[in-house]
Amino acid sequence: RKEVEQDPGPFNVPEGATVAFNCTYSNSASQSFFWYRQDCRKEPKLLMSVYSSGNEDGRFTAQLNRASQYISLLIRDSKLSDSATYLCVVNDNNDMRFGAGTRLTVKP
Amino acid sequence: GAVVSQHPSRVICKSGTSVKIECRSLDFQATTMFWYRQFPKKSLMLMATSNEGSKATYEQGVEKDKFLINHASLTLSTLTVTSAHPEDSSFYICSAGVSSAYNEQFFGPGTRLTVL
Repeated sequence: RKEVEQDPGPFNVPEGATVAFNCTYSNSASQSFFWYRQDCRKEPKLLMSVYSSGNEDGRFTAQLNRASQYISLLIRDSKLSDSATYLCVVNDNNDMRFGAGTRLTVKP
Repeated sequence: GAVVSQHPSRVICKSGTSVKIECRSLDFQATTMFWYRQFPKKSLMLMATSNEGSKATYEQGVEKDKFLINHASLTLSTLTVTSAHPEDSSFYICSAGVSSAYNEQFFGPGTRLTVL
């Protein structure tokens, strides 16, 4: 089983749609969790840290479920500029474990 | 957020030459930096963890004599690809860890290496 698993997609959605990504992780002792966004041929950029209580930043909502070992990212009212690959990242004792990424394309 | 720079952003070299890539944390000190490579449409693959003032820790399968890492100061780590070959062509990205409750990592802009 992979340490961090994501649905690779691609997710193709119209502008304004709501889209959700899930990610599961294998190490129950993992300490912190993140969503990064990576545009084509660019470096990953931190989108959100995922807090135990869940957190929201504008149109983006992240949730953590430790019992089931998954995290999620919800994007509301999607924009064309949201098109990117979203990487789920889990921190195991300062070792960052990356999911393979979920490709999102938002279409007009 | 913390800023990490990387230089050069792009390099094309002949087979057999060595290429040095620099990674700098611009507005914070990073005792630990990380080097990744990424192939097209693939996720990041950790190559090594670079610790200031000590030897780097390499991931399994990464040749330490091929990929030389030096972390001479709290703001600079370098990766040297020695005797580069076409199969070394890739996107190399560094990151620096921020000491916080969540230990986020911030990435440099990456270096695209093409070996002819």
